[in-house]
Amino acid sequence: DVKVTQSSRYLVKRTGEKVFLECVQDMDHENMFWYRQDPGLGLRLIYFSYDVKMKEKGDIPEGYSVSREKKERFSLILESASTNQTSMYLCASSLPGTSGDTQYFGPGTRLTVL
Amino acid sequence: AQSVTQLDSHVSVSEGTPVLLRCNYSSSYSPSLFWYVQHPNKGLQLLLKYTSAATLVKGINGFEAEFKKSETSFHLTKPSAHMSDAAEYFCVVTPPGAGSYQLTFGKGTKLSVIP
Repeated sequence: DVKVTQSSRYLVKRTGEKVFLECVQDMDHENMFWYRQDPGLGLRLIYFSYDVKMKEKGDIPEGYSVSREKKERFSLILESASTNQTSMYLCASSLPGTSGDTQYFGPGTRLTVL
Repeated sequence: AQSVTQLDSHVSVSEGTPVLLRCNYSSSYSPSLFWYVQHPNKGLQLLLKYTSAATLVKGINGFEAEFKKSETSFHLTKPSAHMSDAAEYFCVVTPPGAGSYQLTFGKGTKLSVIP
């Protein structure tokens, strides 16, 4: 089974702090994704990566950056955390190809910014 | 452009009764469609997907969905609800041939199951 793990289930940070969210997948997937999930808004794509050191902006990249130095690891960085970044963050991975690829999700990190 | 609308934000059913979660999509081409489920404090799990093969798609845990092009719908059903079905369900659309990074998620439907 594909396993996607995220470094923390819960995080509490202060406004202005630099925050790192880590995601690791064990199935050699090329594609990796970061979403945020907010009540009533569903999932919104922040960034995705289709290869090592490659990244593309999603729908809401402002205030975030990402890093992918190794195929299995995809990091989301909040350079200066703000209260409006309090949310659930979900990482996912998939194999590339035609549409219909299944994305495999991690358990999520619930981030609170005070 | 593509979009997906889940018509109910919350559905409540009694255990043993049928489940219907409604999803309508908008797309200028024949899309691929998915249903994902998220149990409390868990990540999303794929229930089923439609990729232009059979229009009636069977998924895990007794769920199924029917793709109706004329109605632009992809409703999720289950004949008999179980307590373990209580979760949030997301309908997802993606264009054909574009790769899975162009997923568009619905806002979710929270299913409650009453004993």
